Amino acid sequence: IAGITQAPTSQILAAGRRMTLRCTQDMRHNAMYWYRQDLGLGLRLIHYSNTAGTTGKGEVPDGYSVSRANTDDFPLTLASAVPSQTSVYFCASSDSAGGTTDTQYFGPGTRLTVL
Amino acid sequence: RKEVEQDPGPFNVPEGATVAFNCTYSNSASQSFFWYRQDCRKEPKLLMSVYSSGNEDGRFTAQLNRASQYISLLIRDSKLSDSATYLCVVNPNKAAGNKLTFGGGTRVLVKP
Repeated sequence: IAGITQAPTSQILAAGRRMTLRCTQDMRHNAMYWYRQDLGLGLRLIHYSNTAGTTGKGEVPDGYSVSRANTDDFPLTLASAVPSQTSVYFCASSDSAGGTTDTQYFGPGTRLTVL
Repeated sequence: RKEVEQDPGPFNVPEGATVAFNCTYSNSASQSFFWYRQDCRKEPKLLMSVYSSGNEDGRFTAQLNRASQYISLLIRDSKLSDSATYLCVVNPNKAAGNKLTFGGGTRVLVKP
């Protein structure tokens, strides 16, 4: 693995189903993030984690949960998917949470369609 | 009002021409500014950070105007490969960590 990976690449999901989007980074970055990107709205932060063992809510956290059991992995779970969660989901990581110039590196994204 | 606003474009640019566009931000206390580039159906990638004094990276020049709360990006001698969506990104609260706010993006199309 080089950088940050996400799985699955795309998924079609029935409403009401549970779904976990996976994100793994091998850069030993402390901070990780989940965004959703919708047309006309840009990227919006769902949840973040400044370091392993801690998580926080972003701008649009409702309907999503995260965990950060270790440095490398930051899964995003939709407990009961709804059509409004149809979006492209990007995971990102940065070396630290406090630096103002730390670059965020993004994964390739997961395209999720909820029917 | 959105925290970070951009003209969605598209800006249709002849190859070799110069194009410039701005982004406005609402939080006057914002301390960090960036331009990211996003190609169609791909992930965003950092193009450049924006410093108070302005900065240049090859054909790309970024400026920050704190008084008017906007940042700009200028692309000189446009290449076909510059066609992309350019995302204006702001860190509105350094104390809260590296949580970034993204604009909706400005689409640039460079044509032969």
